[in-house]
Order: sequence, then C-alpha cells, then structure tokens
Amino acid sequence: DAGITQSPRHKVTETGTPVTLRCHQTENHRYMYWYRQDPGHGLRLIHYSYGVKDTDKGEVSDGYSVSRSKTEDFLLTLESATSSQTSVYFCATTGTGGTYEQYFGPGTRLTVT
Amino acid sequence: AQSVTQLGSHVSVSEGALVLLRCNYSSSVPPYLFWYVQYPNQGLQLLLKYTTGATLVKGINGFEAEFKKSETSFHLTKPSAHMSDAAEYFCAVSVRTGTASKLTFGTGTRLQVTL
Repeated sequence: DAGITQSPRHKVTETGTPVTLRCHQTENHRYMYWYRQDPGHGLRLIHYSYGVKDTDKGEVSDGYSVSRSKTEDFLLTLESATSSQTSVYFCATTGTGGTYEQYFGPGTRLTVT
Repeated sequence: AQSVTQLGSHVSVSEGALVLLRCNYSSSVPPYLFWYVQYPNQGLQLLLKYTTGATLVKGINGFEAEFKKSETSFHLTKPSAHMSDAAEYFCAVSVRTGTASKLTFGTGTRLQVTL
C-alpha cells in the first residue's frame, strides 16, 4: 500500500465547468500517473509525471491538464468538463526500484451532467 | 507499441473449481507483466508480477501465472476458486519508454464464482 489518497471520491458537475482532482501520496515516489477507467476499455493513461514540474501526455490526454508542484501531489484538471469525461479516475505511483509495478489510489467517480 | 488482450470479458466458475484467466501480450522488447485485481468500488491491487527469472510466479490469495514467451501469454490460474475471488482482473504489460515506465492494460475479465 503506497499511501495514496484521492479527493474528492465522488463528484457531480455540470458540462462546461472546470474540475480538479487531487492525488496525494506519502511514499516519496517519483512517478505518478492519472488513468481513467471505462467499461470495455480497461484503464487508459491520461497523463503522467516523472518528477516535480515534469509531466507528459498519455494516450487519452485531450481535454485534460496536470500539474505537479510537490513530490506528493499530482493534480488533474478538466478545463471544461464534458459528458464524455464521466468516468472513474485513478491515480497511481511507482518508485524507482526498476520493477515498474504501480500502486493505485481508491479512485474518484466523476459524473458530468 | 505494446498491447494486451484478455480473452473473455466474463468468466464464471463454481466454488472449488479451477480458475483460468487468459492474457496475451505483444511487445517489441522483453516485457514486465502484471496481474491486478479490482474489487467493487476499490482501486487496483497487485496480484503478481513477472520481471525476469523464473517463469512461474506466485502471487497473493493462491494465484499464480506462467510467462510463456513462445506463446506471448501470461495466463492467471488458481486451483480452487473461492467466493471471495469474485472481482475484476486486469492483465498489464510495462515497458520503459523515454521518461518513464508505462502500463498498458487489457480490458479486464470479470470473474463470477457460484455455489
């Protein structure tokens, strides 16, 4: 258990509003990731971070931005939420041990109406 | 680019029966392979992993998986299913590219265990 928390755990928002999801970890892991989980698609990578202020896009990054100002926090922002962004969002972390397994947070269920 | 295929989105077994969840992968470099389990309304928990060395790997809750390079497979098995095994299972492959390692997931297999 990598001590990962996500907030909020549930959120309902309206189309067009900005939304920020927070991931907080206590393990001092270097790498952090944001995924979305949708039925029939498994988990898909949105963005990831390889250090403070160092981020890059994943396979489904359109409509999302991220920021990492501290090792322990990784924020995911939907600038203008759309109904297609209704999903469950998971944060994950990994250290630098070289075996690449990722540890997951409990998820945030986001509904865009 | 790597990819993962999980055959069967739903698998149903009787309690006490063998569990077999199939995973095939493609990767241009030697992969690291993982199985994760997800219980309802929870995050993903690592079941087991293959990195290098012994091709039969054992994980938590009595699960094991065998890496077969020639078949590009990493099937998950458990000799005797228990009701508590009902969950969704994800196979994933990890390859380091550029700045970080990234996991590519299969679409998942939901395991149902019946009495």
